[in-house]
Amino acid sequence: DAGITQSPRHKVTETGTPVTLRCHQTENHRYMYWYRQDPGHGLRLIHYSYGVKDTDKGEVSDGYSVSRSKTEDFLLTLESATSSQTSVYFCAIGPAGTYEQYFGPGTRLTVT
Amino acid sequence: EDKVVQSPLSLVVHEGDTVTLNCSYEVTNFRSLLWYKQEKKAPTFLFMLTSSGIEKKSGRLSSILDKKELFSILNITATQTGDSAVYLCAVEKGNYQLIWGAGTKLIIKP
Repeated sequence: DAGITQSPRHKVTETGTPVTLRCHQTENHRYMYWYRQDPGHGLRLIHYSYGVKDTDKGEVSDGYSVSRSKTEDFLLTLESATSSQTSVYFCAIGPAGTYEQYFGPGTRLTVT
Repeated sequence: EDKVVQSPLSLVVHEGDTVTLNCSYEVTNFRSLLWYKQEKKAPTFLFMLTSSGIEKKSGRLSSILDKKELFSILNITATQTGDSAVYLCAVEKGNYQLIWGAGTKLIIKP
């Protein structure tokens, strides 16, 4: 597996609380992505980064923000968690010059 | 609107059978099509296809792309129970962003 870790791996939180998920890579890849995966929807891109401090929105970015202050870390923040954000969140990384993406183990988030 | 559609949504076959999974797409600025396998964890990369008519092959798995008809197929021959998984198709639409299909759930019965 590519050197990608996600933390926490599981989290239960209450509606209205902020939540931060962390993705850490040891591959020095330029691109990092946050996806959510829900039954019937496949993987949907939330935000992605193409370099330190360079980020852009994906197709389902509302209610989420990201930050990348170092090459190896990409943080996803749910500003005020809602039940609709209950999902499995995957981080992925990809080197420049190729479209392949390599996925982290995922974080299962439950918002009650 | 860009979209990737996979069919069938699910498929049950017996060990030893050959299966064909389909992926059709409507994506502006098509660059490449990728196949991934997802067991009970993160997706893992299988193939990337950029040119029509050139088959990619890895063991019992093979895939081909038709850019004129906007689809790809993934073939698995002599299936084994370890092939049971969700197979995901994705299309790169520019800026290294992927549009994903919902997946085909493949179950191989012994």
